Amino acid sequence: KAGVTQTPRYLIKTRGQQVTLSCSPISGHRSVSWYQQTPGQGLQFLFEYFSETQRNKGNFPGRFSGRQFSNSRSEMNVSTLELGDSALYLCASSTGLAGGLDTQYFGPGTRLTVL
Amino acid sequence: EDQVTQSPEALRLQEGESSSLNCSYTVSGLRGLFWYRQDPGKGPEFLFTLYSAGEEKEKERLKATLTKKESFLHITAPKPEDSATYLCAVLPFSGNTPLVFGKGTRLSVIA
Repeated sequence: KAGVTQTPRYLIKTRGQQVTLSCSPISGHRSVSWYQQTPGQGLQFLFEYFSETQRNKGNFPGRFSGRQFSNSRSEMNVSTLELGDSALYLCASSTGLAGGLDTQYFGPGTRLTVL
Repeated sequence: EDQVTQSPEALRLQEGESSSLNCSYTVSGLRGLFWYRQDPGKGPEFLFTLYSAGEEKEKERLKATLTKKESFLHITAPKPEDSATYLCAVLPFSGNTPLVFGKGTRLSVIA
């Protein structure tokens, strides 16, 4: 069974630009969650999508947005990039049917550097 | 506010030297506690889920235990390949709260 894939793996952008990251979940999984990981803050929850609907949202500004397609693939977008957005962005997929208790399987992440 | 604190931040062990990592949590109610392992440049890899105090789970050299306020990840006779960052996360009962992660313990096992 193929794992979670994320593209691109590395990105370098400048302040003010926008970026779109992509995540393909494990086949059959309908939930995709996005996290930001930084050395200082650790893993922080951005949002979760289930069957094309945002089901949960973390405490991030509106510059961070996402969507999910009918094939469960998900994208997240960050507009007007700031230096502090430099981080590893992880997505995790799960069945989404156990109220959060189902195992989340993480992708390798996208390393975003904002200059 | 739901919080997870992991200690120590970093741990250096000799091969074969057993030790424990700690995860203490403050939540309104615990639905589950998760342990993950993360290697450099990779996403976290699931290890265990614990649901109630007194529960224990084992996998190779790792054993996870849970009390009402904390969880321990015991590593018995570690090998260099056990070197990684170990993350703990809790799922609170309150509403639709997502997983809350600790900042991890960075383990180095020296041959």
